[in-house]
Amino acid sequence: KQEVTQIPAALSVPEGENLVLNCSFTDSAIYNLQWFRQDPGKGLTSLLLIQSSQREQTSGRLNASLDKSSGRSTLYIAASQPGDSATYLCASSNQAGTALIFGKGTTLSVSS
Amino acid sequence: GAVVSQHPSWVICKSGTSVKIECRSLDFQATTMFWYRQFPKQSLMLMATSNEGSKATYEQGVEKDKFLINHASLTLSTLTVTSAHPEDSSFYICSAKRDWGKETQYFGPGTRLLVL
Repeated sequence: KQEVTQIPAALSVPEGENLVLNCSFTDSAIYNLQWFRQDPGKGLTSLLLIQSSQREQTSGRLNASLDKSSGRSTLYIAASQPGDSATYLCASSNQAGTALIFGKGTTLSVSS
Repeated sequence: GAVVSQHPSWVICKSGTSVKIECRSLDFQATTMFWYRQFPKQSLMLMATSNEGSKATYEQGVEKDKFLINHASLTLSTLTVTSAHPEDSSFYICSAKRDWGKETQYFGPGTRLLVL
């Protein structure tokens, strides 16, 4: 059964820093991997989706990479801002049309 | 486009009562919807997969008689928590997969349930 792990559980950085969030998964036979943002008490906002055939996806200051062979994905946030403070969730899907398996998330705090 | 709504966003009920939560895809059809539950400081855990026109598929450990799911149309799925107890207090989030296009799931804003 697929397990998704995120490290660290929490991260505090000063504004302007570049940072990397890590996600690992036990079963490399994934269909896709997705990164979400969740603000306290709120739902999920999809940030980036990487298909299994892709190596990375970029959106603005965000870059997500996928290495299936090592079972890892990273989310790189450039020039962090206080507005980036949130919990970031990584989730994988093992087949088309199936539910997502989530990690516990990394709670990011960016101080001004 | 691709908006999913949930109603209510916040509900408080007495122990023993039933609560219905609606999940709607506002601008697309979704044959498949998913229901997740999130306890404080925990990740989202899949409860069940809801399929329009057929019975829901429940994950191991989720009681189908307690969490009734009805996928009445291509844009609406409902989750009813029957005889709710304090341990059912949680954040319930649904997602909908569009029937065509990208393999992205669109998430609702969630429903926070507090059972007293």
